[in-house]
Order: sequence, then structure tokens, then C-alpha cells
Amino acid sequence: AQSVTQLGSHVSVSEGALVLLRCNYSSSVPPYLFWYVQYPNQGLQPLLKYTSAATLVKGINGFEAEFKKSETSFHLTKPSAHMSDAAEYFCAVTLFSGGYNKLIFGAGTRLAVHP
Amino acid sequence: GAGVSQSPSNKVTEKGKDVELRCDPISGHTALYWYRQSLGQGLEFLIYFQGNSAPDKSGLPSDRFSAERTGGSVSTLTIQRTQQEDSAVYLCASSFTRDGETQYFGPGTRLLVL
Repeated sequence: AQSVTQLGSHVSVSEGALVLLRCNYSSSVPPYLFWYVQYPNQGLQPLLKYTSAATLVKGINGFEAEFKKSETSFHLTKPSAHMSDAAEYFCAVTLFSGGYNKLIFGAGTRLAVHP
Repeated sequence: GAGVSQSPSNKVTEKGKDVELRCDPISGHTALYWYRQSLGQGLEFLIYFQGNSAPDKSGLPSDRFSAERTGGSVSTLTIQRTQQEDSAVYLCASSFTRDGETQYFGPGTRLLVL
């Protein structure tokens, strides 16, 4: 069974500091991995996607994530946090099974950015 | 439309009443998904549509929940005899039907059952 674990339900960083949000997955075959972001009172927006084409994936708003098969991890990073990055971030895994993709989400990490 | 739309954005109802939640997917997306987001449960898959058929209803919490999709487009999620534990944000997503396709989410319907 697939599962996603996000370490840390809340992360707080200073503006300009490195952002690191952790995600580990459990999957028997190489999966597709996603990061979604949810701003307050909004729906989930795709941030980036891993498709096996490259282990380092660049997304929107300066975020990137590195797929490490040996560690079954897909951590999200951004070199310098901005106040506008404050949101909840969800890591998700999917496998194409039965003709469709069902996303399995982690519990989410709420990122706070303070001045 | 440009994105997935859902209506209503908020719904307050009394316990025991029926509610209908609507989702308009992105034009051309053949796959449609419903998820539920609630405190303590995170994001849960409810049901998947391919065209007008629902090959996977495994996430529906009980037989009070049902969904349909017509014309390969609009979908309605119906909750009968609502209970307080149904209070949550109901999210709809759509995508093309290909391996690994990104799902695009609507803003959700926030349901509160009193």
C-alpha cells in the first residue's frame, strides 16, 4: 500500500531563510510524486511533479524538490523564504492503476514565515 | 472554463437534511475526482469518474454519499441525511486520463452540518 509521511505539521522560518519541507513515501514501484500548495481559503495548486525524467524538479515560485530513491524521499526546498510562501503544503504520491491516478496525500505541513 | 469551479462555496445545513455539491471540471478533462478535507483526517479520496462512469467509489464513507456525472462534464456529489461528521471541505479535481497526469483542484465547498 502506498503512503506518504510529512515530517512536521508546522514549520516556521524567517523571511529570507531556507525552507525545507520533508516528505517520505512508501511505494513498491517508482511513483509519480507531487507537491501541492494550499493558500488560505483556496484550493490546492500544483507546485511541482516528479516523473522520473530528472531527480531534481523545479517548480513555481522558486521551489524545487529532489527525488532520492534510496531514501524514498521527495523533500521540498526553497533557498529564500518570502512572506507570500506562508501556506499549507501537501506531498502526494500516485500510481496509475485500474486506468486512473488516485492521489494519496500526506497530512500536510503548514509553513509560517515571519519577518 | 479556465479552472475547476465548485458551488456553493459554503453550505450550512441542519442535521438530517440532504445537500448537493456541484463541480465543473476543466473543459476537455475526462477524469474527475472528489476528495474530502477535514480536520484530523487530512485529504481523503472519495470517488473517481472516467467520463460518466465511476470505476472507483471505494472512498465514499457510507451509502448516504452518492455522486453522478453527466455529459462527461459536470458532477454532483449528494449527501443524504447529513450528519455532523460530514462537516468538511469537499474538493473536486479534474485531469486528462494519462499516467501521472496532474490533477487540478477547485476551490472547494465548505460544508457545515449543525
